[in-house]
Amino acid sequence: EVQLVESGGGLVQPGGSLRLSCSASGFTFSSYAMHWVRQAPGKGLEYVSAISSNGGSTYYADSVKGRFTISRDNSKNTLSLQMSSLRAEDTAVYYCVKDQAVTGYFDYWGQGTLVTVSS
Amino acid sequence: QSALTQPPSASGSPGQSVTISCTGTSSDVGGYNYVSWYQQHPGKVPKVMIYEVNKRPSGVPDRFSGSKSGNTASLTVSGLQAEDEADYYCSSYAGSNTVVFGGGTKLTVL
Repeated sequence: EVQLVESGGGLVQPGGSLRLSCSASGFTFSSYAMHWVRQAPGKGLEYVSAISSNGGSTYYADSVKGRFTISRDNSKNTLSLQMSSLRAEDTAVYYCVKDQAVTGYFDYWGQGTLVTVSS
Repeated sequence: QSALTQPPSASGSPGQSVTISCTGTSSDVGGYNYVSWYQQHPGKVPKVMIYEVNKRPSGVPDRFSGSKSGNTASLTVSGLQAEDEADYYCSSYAGSNTVVFGGGTKLTVL
C-alpha cells in the first residue's frame, strides 16, 4: 500500500524557516517524480515545487522561487521542502504528491501538514 | 504560470449530467494530452478522477468522463449522485515537470 506521510508543519513567525519532510513507502520511490502542492485555508490547490526521480531536476512556482528548496533522499525514501523567508501568504496545508507518469498525474497524496505563518 | 480557468460553481439535480470546463493556453491544456481532474470533499485529500484527458483510474465510476478541445478541457459527471457534491480541480502538465491547477469548481447536487 502506497503511503505518503508528511511532517514538520507548525507555527512560524514571518521571515522564519521550516523544513517539511515526506516519508514514502509502498512503491519504488526512486522511480517517480515527486511534488509539493499546497492549499491555503478555504482556497484552491496551488502547485509549489517538483523534483525528478533522481533529484537532478527541480522546479519552483514563481511565488516560492528563491525561498523554497526541494530535495529528496532516495536511500531513505524521503522528500523534503526547506522553506525560508516565510510570509503570511505561505500559510497552507502542504501535500506531498506522487507523480505516476511525469505528466502531472498525481495518483497518491499525503494527508498534508499545516504550516501557519503568523506573529 | 497562470492558473487554468474554471467556473466557480456548477449544479445539477440527482440523475442529471453536469459539465465543468477548464480553459488554459497552448502552453498547457492545448499543448499536451495531460489534463487531470481531482475531486475534493471538505476536509479530505484530493482524489484523482480523470487523468490524461479521458482516462479513469481503477475504482472511479464510469459516470465520470473527460474530454478536450483545443485549449479547453471538460469533466462530465453523468447520473449525478449526492456523493458527487464536492470541489473539482483540473490540472494540466505545462512542460519541464511542471503542472498548473485550475481555481476549482464547487459542484452542488440540488
